[in-house]
Amino acid sequence: ILNVEQSPQSLHVQEGDSTNFTCSFPSSNFYALHWYRWETAKSPEALFVMTLNGDEKKKGRISATLNTKEGYSYLYIKGSQPEDSATYLCAFRVGSNFGNEKLTFGTGTRLTIIP
Amino acid sequence: KAGVTQTPRYLIKTRGQQVTLSCSPISGHRSVSWYQQTPGQGLQFLFEYFSETQRNKGNFPGRFSGRQFSNSRSEMNVSTLELGDSALYLCASSWLSGYGYTFGSGTRLTVV
Repeated sequence: ILNVEQSPQSLHVQEGDSTNFTCSFPSSNFYALHWYRWETAKSPEALFVMTLNGDEKKKGRISATLNTKEGYSYLYIKGSQPEDSATYLCAFRVGSNFGNEKLTFGTGTRLTIIP
Repeated sequence: KAGVTQTPRYLIKTRGQQVTLSCSPISGHRSVSWYQQTPGQGLQFLFEYFSETQRNKGNFPGRFSGRQFSNSRSEMNVSTLELGDSALYLCASSWLSGYGYTFGSGTRLTVV
């Protein structure tokens, strides 16, 4: 059974502050690590798909790093804004490129930005 | 372009009944996956279809089944509903392996 752990479970951050949270996943048989943002009453939205050890991706004020050897990824948000309030999910994918599209999700980090 | 469309948005069923949920993926996306979310649980993988074939299946009982049509639209069926089947069911489509998924808005199923 694959275990994907996210910490912390929830976080309150003052507007303008920067923050980060963690996703831990099995280090063996790694294929990809996904990050999604899920706002209340909306659909999960893809942020990043990361595949290479040492990968670093950036989208505006949000960035992510990946360490496949030790099995963790960090998501960073710089200068938090109220619109960043959401649940951030990571998902781990094993195995081969084709034919194994199953994602194992963590339970998420719920981020609330305090104006 | 149109996103992933799930119907219906909300559904109330009685224990023992069966239900069919529908998902229309983004045009050109051939992979369709289904996930279940219950309170306190992360998204749990149900199954994934590609070109009308089920490629992967999660750890759910046989009461959960699905199919995909030639136009990539997918349906999932739950027979003999139980109270524990009450959940948000999300469908996601993907163009190619290695790309992120696009999720629908989900179907909220309540079993009474």
